[in-house]
Amino acid sequence: SAVISQKPSRDICQRGTSLTIQCQVDSQVTMMFWYRQQPGQSLTLIATANQGSEATYESGFVIDKFPISRPNLTFSTLTVSNMSPEDSSIYLCSVVGSGRASEQFFGPGTRLTVL
Amino acid sequence: AQSVSQHNHHVILSEAASLELGCNYSYGGTVNLFWYVQYPGQHLQLLLKYFSGDPLVKGIKGFEAEFIKSKFSFNLRKPSVQWSDTAEYFCAVIPDSNYQLIWGAGTKLIIKP
Repeated sequence: SAVISQKPSRDICQRGTSLTIQCQVDSQVTMMFWYRQQPGQSLTLIATANQGSEATYESGFVIDKFPISRPNLTFSTLTVSNMSPEDSSIYLCSVVGSGRASEQFFGPGTRLTVL
Repeated sequence: AQSVSQHNHHVILSEAASLELGCNYSYGGTVNLFWYVQYPGQHLQLLLKYFSGDPLVKGIKGFEAEFIKSKFSFNLRKPSVQWSDTAEYFCAVIPDSNYQLIWGAGTKLIIKP
């Protein structure tokens, strides 16, 4: 299994500001993803973080709003830009573990509240 | 479009009751199937998974799920629930060899002591 940590664990931000969330994995992984879990809803995939190239965004998510970095195989960041209250959510990093295709592991999440 | 549906959004049971949470998916090809659990204040954890072989899969904490291909279903079961099973349960599917999970909406399970 992969152990994933995220920083910060929670934050309260003002409208119009930006927050960068960090995801650190204890082993090298090929696939890293960023999800959003809005209150009372299921997880929604934001993007696949690609090492060495631009992230692949899902429909409804754009790079200007959610820029993602993936400088190496163990680390990624997601920035939530120009925040509004609608961005209040839990943001989760996940990875596909090595040695067993398709099994995903999840970080503890970052609980973001935008005032 | 591929989708996963969980039949109940909220389930309330008493301790020792039997549990079955429904999960159906819409995809005609090969799938990998998962149940994840999120306990209050904790992150998502894998409960059990099905890739191939015996369609009756046993997971952690006494949970099991049965893959019925003809019904496109992967229902989660536990014969006798405990108060500590209070959590939100998510069914998820990966079609073919894709890495992208398709999630159900989740079922909030509350066990009354």
